[in-house]
Amino acid sequence: QVQLQESGPGLVKPSQTLSLTCTVSGGSISSGDHYWSWIRQPPGKGLEWIGYIYYSGTTYYNPSLRSRVTISVDTSTNQFSLKLSSVTAADTAVYYCARDPDYGKNYFDYWGQGTLVTVSS
Amino acid sequence: ELVMTQSPATLSVSPGERATLSCRASQSVSSNLAWYQQKPGQAPRLLIYGASTRATGIPARFSGSGSGTEFTLTISSLQSEDFAVYYCQQYNNWPPALTFGGGTKVEIK
Repeated sequence: QVQLQESGPGLVKPSQTLSLTCTVSGGSISSGDHYWSWIRQPPGKGLEWIGYIYYSGTTYYNPSLRSRVTISVDTSTNQFSLKLSSVTAADTAVYYCARDPDYGKNYFDYWGQGTLVTVSS
Repeated sequence: ELVMTQSPATLSVSPGERATLSCRASQSVSSNLAWYQQKPGQAPRLLIYGASTRATGIPARFSGSGSGTEFTLTISSLQSEDFAVYYCQQYNNWPPALTFGGGTKVEIK
């Protein structure tokens, strides 16, 4: 059973960079069978896909966030990470990592529990 | 940007009744549509993919239909555990620009 777990600071100051890591267990990122995504949800609002990465390092980002987002992967630790720069209060959200069920099938069958990141001074 | 619009925003239904949720795409997404259920404090759970295929372990009372721009999620007989927020998501674009609808909250009438 695949499990995903987000980790990182729960509070980030405006203009700084938000950094989160997703640790995958019960499956290997290196298998090449999946894309690995970040998705966020502002409090009381809907879901927004941020972007995803393949084990090789190939990335695709939401065009609306592309200028501020970097997703990276570390196959040796079975983790992938999110960096979002120049954050504002609008970036306050629960951040989820998630997996697609098969390479190129761009919906999500496994999700982490989510981690709340608040942007505030 | 491909916009997904869900209606209604809130649906009040009595247990045992049928619930019908709608999702409309601003342009055709073929059958590349998924539905998720989200309960408070939890991550979304995949219900339906390919517009009409139930995900593993999803009860038969959940069904999806539609193609192109109009989609429907039907819950045939609402159980207490089905009261939640439901989201649709399209995955038709390439390169990917995956987008979700704004959600429909199904509440107890």
